[in-house]
Amino acid sequence: EAAVTQSPRNKVAVTGGKVTLSCNQTNNHNNMYWYRQDTGHGLRLIHYSYGAGSTEKGDIPDGYKASRPSQENFSLILELATPSQTSVYFCASVQGIYEQYFGPGTRLTVL
Amino acid sequence: QEKVQQSPESLIVPEGAMSSLNCTFSNSASQSIWWYQQHPGKGPEALISIFSNGNKKEGRLTVYLNRASLHVSLHIRDSQPSDSAVYLCAVTGTGGYKVVFGSGTRLLVSP
Repeated sequence: EAAVTQSPRNKVAVTGGKVTLSCNQTNNHNNMYWYRQDTGHGLRLIHYSYGAGSTEKGDIPDGYKASRPSQENFSLILELATPSQTSVYFCASVQGIYEQYFGPGTRLTVL
Repeated sequence: QEKVQQSPESLIVPEGAMSSLNCTFSNSASQSIWWYQQHPGKGPEALISIFSNGNKKEGRLTVYLNRASLHVSLHIRDSQPSDSAVYLCAVTGTGGYKVVFGSGTRLLVSP
């Protein structure tokens, strides 16, 4: 069964601090995505990747970096966290145009 | 950039009734349309997809796609309280990699 895991599940960070959100998939999918979900905005794409070593900017990349060191792992990095980045973050994997498999989400609070 | 809009924002139906959700998108060449279900505190899960004009039925779910009017709808027959969730419409762009989500419809099925 397709599986996507995220860590941590909850994170409280201070303004200006560095935050790394991790995602692991065992689906052997090429494409992986990072979204944030806020009330009234639905899911918004931050960064995505076609495969190991590749990262692409999504619709709202400012303030975020991404890293795809392997097929299985995709990280989202907030170098200088700000309160506006308080949100729920979801990672997903997909093969082509088929269904995306989502992780359980990470709730990030920046104080 | 692809735009996806969903209506209504929220919907309340009695148990056993038909639930009808709508989604409009901006690019008739979009490759695929997916509907996802999201329960509180969980990641979205794929329900049903459609690629070609017409309709598709799976169990209690029926989806209709009209590319000329840039409209897709999801209908849930015999709605159950367990169907209460947020439903997200997702459209895959012509490149096949980037997916744009609507802001969702919150469905409440009252017993």
